Amino acid sequence: SQQGEEDPQALSIQEGENATMNCSYKTSINNLQWYRQNSGRGLVHLILIRSNEREKHSGRLRVTLDTSKKSSSLLITASRAADTASYFCATDQGGSEKLVFGKGTKLTVNP
Amino acid sequence: ETGVTQSPTHLIKTRGQQVTLRCSSQSGHNTVSWYQQALGQGPQFIFQYYREEENGRGNFPPRFSGLQFPNYSSELNVNALELDDSALYLCASSDRGTSGRETQYFGPGTRLLVL
Repeated sequence: SQQGEEDPQALSIQEGENATMNCSYKTSINNLQWYRQNSGRGLVHLILIRSNEREKHSGRLRVTLDTSKKSSSLLITASRAADTASYFCATDQGGSEKLVFGKGTKLTVNP
Repeated sequence: ETGVTQSPTHLIKTRGQQVTLRCSSQSGHNTVSWYQQALGQGPQFIFQYYREEENGRGNFPPRFSGLQFPNYSSELNVNALELDDSALYLCASSDRGTSGRETQYFGPGTRLLVL
């Protein structure tokens, strides 16, 4: 079973615009991670946010975490065509080292 | 590049056959996790190996089995293949025992098609 749900399922924007993706999860977590996947290939780790953190930045990425609402968001600013990919959130399960993924958001950035 | 390699990249099998997929973990990593990703879905956890022992298993039947070797590389074996086993199989390595161990580094995957 999948822990998280990303929203929207698909997002299409123009280069230079910002992209926001949301993730909701069901059980308590120690941390939440975001991964990117290009065209059914391997996943690339983007950022990890711990349950005691509310916001984290990495380059053009900004992640927020609201544990009271069991939700997270990923903001990509000034998007580029190379950002076109599927984005997944993944959570641990209260100490378990397995990652539980959502179904992902497919982002298309048009040049 | 994560330094995690998988072989083969693609594989076609017929129903009922057996398959072995291989993974070499990133240098220094002692933990390997395997995931199955069906088309249009997120990865699903199959199991994890730490120091050659299974360390957690997802909701997969016993015909999915694995091994981890002393050099921390790993194999995923699937017996009696079914059509629904067609998927991308992802291997991820991590370094249990250090801070930041939660981050898993994924290989490029093996795409399995069962006919």
